[in-house]
Amino acid sequence: DQQVKQNSPSLSVQEGRISILNCDYTNSMFDYFLWYKKYPAEGPTFLISISSIKDKNEDGRFTVFLNKSAKHLSLHIVPSQPGDSAVYFCAASGLITGNQFYFGTGTSLTVIP
Amino acid sequence: DAMVIQNPRYQVTQFGKPVTLSCSQTLNHNVMYWYQQKSSQAPKLLFHYYDKDFNNEADTPDNFQSRRPNTSFCFLDIRSPGLGDAAMYLCATSRDFGGGDLYQETQYFGPGTRLLVL
Repeated sequence: DQQVKQNSPSLSVQEGRISILNCDYTNSMFDYFLWYKKYPAEGPTFLISISSIKDKNEDGRFTVFLNKSAKHLSLHIVPSQPGDSAVYFCAASGLITGNQFYFGTGTSLTVIP
Repeated sequence: DAMVIQNPRYQVTQFGKPVTLSCSQTLNHNVMYWYQQKSSQAPKLLFHYYDKDFNNEADTPDNFQSRRPNTSFCFLDIRSPGLGDAAMYLCATSRDFGGGDLYQETQYFGPGTRLLVL
């Protein structure tokens, strides 16, 4: 059972515009959420995270929003740059899940120059 | 500086021929993970080690085994690879969440080993 879902396999955005990547989860015990970025032939790298005590976390051009009631989070990239083109994975964890992270299937972002 | 290293990057094996993938880390992290990732799918956790304690996922086939001889190294052994085992295998490390602030933790991934089974 997929506990973390990314329903959009791909997204294309013009350079300079906003990219919005979405993620839904089903386990209400998750209380820590992360976004990873993956380039071809490389492993995922950590991008930004948010705990359930917050509804927003910002790091430069990247902002993650969490809506606990909807079990939904989103990653906003503003402004989008061609170097942001990659696959983005959403992941979730929590004290209840121990040392485990649960990943979504990823969204491939293409930023068009 | 490489922190999580996986060798080889590409591995070709024959159907049924045992293969070993290796992972090493310079982070001194307690926890090491092995994931299997197939095209357009989420990384699937196979097992993880917390120090020397092995934690197997319930749906990980017996064909997959792992060894962690010391903190720095972890191996994935596929005893009899089938065509369905062709995938990217990702190694990751993290600190133990129970020993610190969960909300500061993340996993560090290696570049992966792409396995091809002929």
